[in-house]
Amino acid sequence: KAGVTQTPRYLIKTRGQQVTLSCSPISGHRSVSWYQQTPGQGLQFLFEYFSETQRNKGNFPGRFSGRQFSNSRSEMNVSTLELGDSALYLCASSLGGSGKTLETQYFGPGTRLLVL
Amino acid sequence: TQLLEQSPQFLSIQEGENLTVYCNSSSVFSSLQWYRQEPGEGPVLLVTVVTGGEVKKLKRLTFQFGDARKDSSLHITAAQPGDTGLYLCAGEDSNYQLIWGAGTKLIIKP
Repeated sequence: KAGVTQTPRYLIKTRGQQVTLSCSPISGHRSVSWYQQTPGQGLQFLFEYFSETQRNKGNFPGRFSGRQFSNSRSEMNVSTLELGDSALYLCASSLGGSGKTLETQYFGPGTRLLVL
Repeated sequence: TQLLEQSPQFLSIQEGENLTVYCNSSSVFSSLQWYRQEPGEGPVLLVTVVTGGEVKKLKRLTFQFGDARKDSSLHITAAQPGDTGLYLCAGEDSNYQLIWGAGTKLIIKP
């Protein structure tokens, strides 16, 4: 079974631009979560999508948004990029379930975004 | 705000040595997970501990959850270069969300 894939793997943008990142979950997984990882900060939860609906959201500004398609693939968008948005963006997929139990998450390799 | 602090932040040792890394919080977690992340890859789940005082072993890795479910440790016996990576702990809060530590970067020199 193929793992979680993320595209692109690397991206360089300038301040003020916007960016869209893509995540394809493991086949059969219906939940996709997005995280931002920066050195010394660990993983910060952005949001989780299940059945095309945002089920949970972290404490990020509205410049960060996402969506999920009917095939469970997900995209996240960051508008008006700032230097501080430079990070590794990880997505993780899980079966989904009720959302009231902790399921095993499988992570993709991430998209490394550099904002200049 | 729940926080998980990992220590040390960085550890470099010789192959064959033993080591312990720690994950501490002032908050109680329902469960705690340990992950290993290698360069260019996402984190991979190693173990989940659920019960206070629980000890789990994965080959040369021993994981322990504190009695009060506020802290955890990972002990590696006879470390090997293949153990090199970033070790992350993550605690499950009351909303079934994970709170992540910043990680311990481990380098095992041959």
